[in-house]
Amino acid sequence: NAGVTQTPKFQVLKTGQSMTLQCAQDMNHNSMYWYRQDPGMGLRLIYYSASEGTTDKGEVPNGYNVSRLNKREFSLRLESAAPSQTSVYFCASSADSHSNQPQHFGDGTRLSIL
Amino acid sequence: GENVEQHPSTLSVQEGDSAVIKCTYSDSASNYFPWYKQELGKRPQLIIDIRSNVGEKKDQRIAVTLNKTAKHFSLHITETQPEDSAVYFCAARDEKLTFGTGTRLTIIP
Repeated sequence: NAGVTQTPKFQVLKTGQSMTLQCAQDMNHNSMYWYRQDPGMGLRLIYYSASEGTTDKGEVPNGYNVSRLNKREFSLRLESAAPSQTSVYFCASSADSHSNQPQHFGDGTRLSIL
Repeated sequence: GENVEQHPSTLSVQEGDSAVIKCTYSDSASNYFPWYKQELGKRPQLIIDIRSNVGEKKDQRIAVTLNKTAKHFSLHITETQPEDSAVYFCAARDEKLTFGTGTRLTIIP
């Protein structure tokens, strides 16, 4: 099992460009999450999907959109990238969002906006 | 929403000594408290978690304690080794998982 797979691993964008970060999990998990990690600020939740067909805002959703394409895949889209969105993005999944099951993380996408 | 504070932000200990990282949370409804270890350039990985119906949990050299009344929980690493050097994150869950800001632990050989 690969667990949680994120693509791409690295990306450089210019301000105003758009991009979609991809995430897929093979653990048959119901819930998926997108976080951003900035120095000194830990992991902050952008959006999550409790189950296929549902998405909800997290702590820092502005400037992002998400799509839960199917049970396996959850994508994050930046419509018009800004330098403030330079960060490391992590996707995670868990069995579900209501019981206390651990979240499993992907390897991250390092995104730089010039 | 939940607010999690983590201290210290950096911690250096001699190899073989113990390390303690402390976190406080604000929402008394939080009932799940995981700890993640993140090595440089790698993904966060779960090392131990505790649920609100227990006060302590151990796994070899790692232990976590929870004080629900005071709303704080701690990670204890005993007999530290160089491979314990990493950034450690605590988290608390009511409806969603909220992370602390991390502790950079350095083990000095």
